[in-house]
Amino acid sequence: KAGVTQTPRYLIKTRGQQVTLSCSPISGHRSVSWYQQTPGQGLQFLFEYFSETQRNKGNFPGRFSGRQFSNSRSEMNVSTLELGDSALYLCASSLGFSGPPSSPLNYGYTFGSGTRLTVV
Amino acid sequence: GDSVTQMEGPVTLSEEAFLTINCTYTATGYPSLFWYVQYPGEGLQLLLKATKADDKGSNKGFEATYRKETTSFHLEKGSVQVSDSAVYFCALSGFTGGGNKLTFGTGTQLKVEL
Repeated sequence: KAGVTQTPRYLIKTRGQQVTLSCSPISGHRSVSWYQQTPGQGLQFLFEYFSETQRNKGNFPGRFSGRQFSNSRSEMNVSTLELGDSALYLCASSLGFSGPPSSPLNYGYTFGSGTRLTVV
Repeated sequence: GDSVTQMEGPVTLSEEAFLTINCTYTATGYPSLFWYVQYPGEGLQLLLKATKADDKGSNKGFEATYRKETTSFHLEKGSVQVSDSAVYFCALSGFTGGGNKLTFGTGTQLKVEL
């Protein structure tokens, strides 16, 4: 089955602009999570969407937002870009059942190859 | 909150050497534990996982055992290859506010030389 598809792979934007990144999860997966990876902060959780609803949110400013469509595809948007937003943005797809983490239904995150955003 | 601490890198080994990358965690409840690997220019690939205490995850010669008493999940491989050169991330999945999320360690870069 097809993996997680993120587009575009590379993006260069100017400070103050906005950007939209896309993620298509594995067929049948209803949860999409987004992570930001930088050399300084490592991998940080942005938010999770499940059945078109944001279910979980990390500690990022309101400039970072997202949405999920009925086909489970997700987009994340960053407005008023800052130099510090330069990062690799990773999307993770999963079945998305909530509950005790030890449940066998609750793991199995598959990551996409990421979108490398450079803000100049 | 949840946190993961893993040993600093980079780690440089000769081919066929024994590998250990230490990982300890702090979490509420009973998280699932993972090791992910990242090759240059790529996303994260799941290497192995364990979902409860004393479980051993294994894949491609790598192993890690979920030790609740020491809150650890150390990654080991008996004989590394040049192709194992990558960055390795320890992570836990915690249940937060209705959904699960992954909390990652800082990553350990491994370089294997001939």
